[in-house]
Amino acid sequence: ELKVEQNPLFLSMQEGKNYTIYCNYSTTSDRLYWYRQDPGKSLESLFVLLSNGAVKQEGRLMASLDTKARLSTLHITAAVHDLSATYFCAVEEKLVFGQGTRLTINP
Amino acid sequence: DTEVTQTPKHLVMGMTNKKSLKCEQHMGHRAMYWYKQKAKKPPELMFVYSYEKLSINESVPSRFSPECPNSSLLNLHLHALQPEDSALYLCASSQGRISSNEQFFGPGTRLTVL
Repeated sequence: ELKVEQNPLFLSMQEGKNYTIYCNYSTTSDRLYWYRQDPGKSLESLFVLLSNGAVKQEGRLMASLDTKARLSTLHITAAVHDLSATYFCAVEEKLVFGQGTRLTINP
Repeated sequence: DTEVTQTPKHLVMGMTNKKSLKCEQHMGHRAMYWYKQKAKKPPELMFVYSYEKLSINESVPSRFSPECPNSSLLNLHLHALQPEDSALYLCASSQGRISSNEQFFGPGTRLTVL
């Protein structure tokens, strides 16, 4: 059974700081997705990572994928309050989700 | 049109009611999905339709009945639900396996079962 684990599950950080969210998964997969969810809202697609070594960046967020280590990272650079949300990684076509990382960025 | 729409936004129903959730997309996507999300939890896959045929049913109780009338529409028929079925129900669509299969989510229907 495929398992997807994120850490940390909760992250409180100050504006301007850098941090990384980790996503580990238990079986071989060549597709990994990152989503953002604001409270009471739906999921917004952030990144699609399709191959080993894939790196994608959008603004202050950068995602990478290491299929050999079964690990993806979501790096936040110089955090701003607007990035406060819950971030999910998901694996496989039918989207097996991690538990989510609830990110709070304080002024 | 690059969005997935869902109606209604909110639904309150009793355990003896019959209701339906609707989902629509006009992006030409050939795969559509239903997810259930409880508060502070990740979404859980319920059903997948691929080219209008049910391809995955994640052992969902029969009180949930999906229907795909055409490639743009997806319904979820609800009957004799339990209070523990209260959740946010999310619909998503994607191009299918030949592409990245990135899924685009609708705004969801927040369901309360009394």
